[in-house]
Amino acid sequence: NAGVTQTPKFQVLKTGQSMTLQCAQDMNHEYMSWYRQDPGMGLRLIHYSVGAGITDQGEVPNGYNVSRSTTEDFPLRLLSAAPSQTSVYFCASSGKRLTYEQYFGPGTRLTVT
Amino acid sequence: DQQVKQNSPSLSVQEGRISILNCDYTNSMFDYFLWYKKYPAEGPTFLISISSIKDKNEDGRFTVFLNKSAKHLSLHIVPSQPGDSAVYFCAASGAASKLTFGTGTRLQVTL
Repeated sequence: NAGVTQTPKFQVLKTGQSMTLQCAQDMNHEYMSWYRQDPGMGLRLIHYSVGAGITDQGEVPNGYNVSRSTTEDFPLRLLSAAPSQTSVYFCASSGKRLTYEQYFGPGTRLTVT
Repeated sequence: DQQVKQNSPSLSVQEGRISILNCDYTNSMFDYFLWYKKYPAEGPTFLISISSIKDKNEDGRFTVFLNKSAKHLSLHIVPSQPGDSAVYFCAASGAASKLTFGTGTRLQVTL
């Protein structure tokens, strides 16, 4: 099992560009989440999904879109990148209730100039 | 409004000694608490959890204590090992079923 995979590992964008961060899991988990980690802020929830076709907003959803067409994949789209979105992004999945033990991917480090 | 607080950004402990990491929360609706460990350039990994119906949970060298009246939990690592050097995040959840993380404590275990 690969667990939770994320691509790319690193990305540099210019302000206003759009891109999609990919996340996939091979554990047949229902629950998937996207977090961002900023210095001194811990991990903050962006969006989450409790199953294919069902998504909801987390703490900091503005500027991001998600969709969940399959159980395995949960891409995060940045619509128009801003320097404030410079961060490390983590995808996580869980086979139980959303907040029980979550398995995290290795992260994507995004810089917006 | 930081609902989960880890007031110590860093902690240094000698190998073999006890490491105690602390976490405070403000939301009385939180009913499940977790600790995650994170190495540089990797995602967090689950370490140990505790439900609000318990006040202690042990897993090998790791023990989590929960004091509901004080809204405080702590993670004890005994004995500490160099491989324990990492950032530790406390997290909590409640009826909304979403995790709220603390800001993390960097633990360094020295030889």
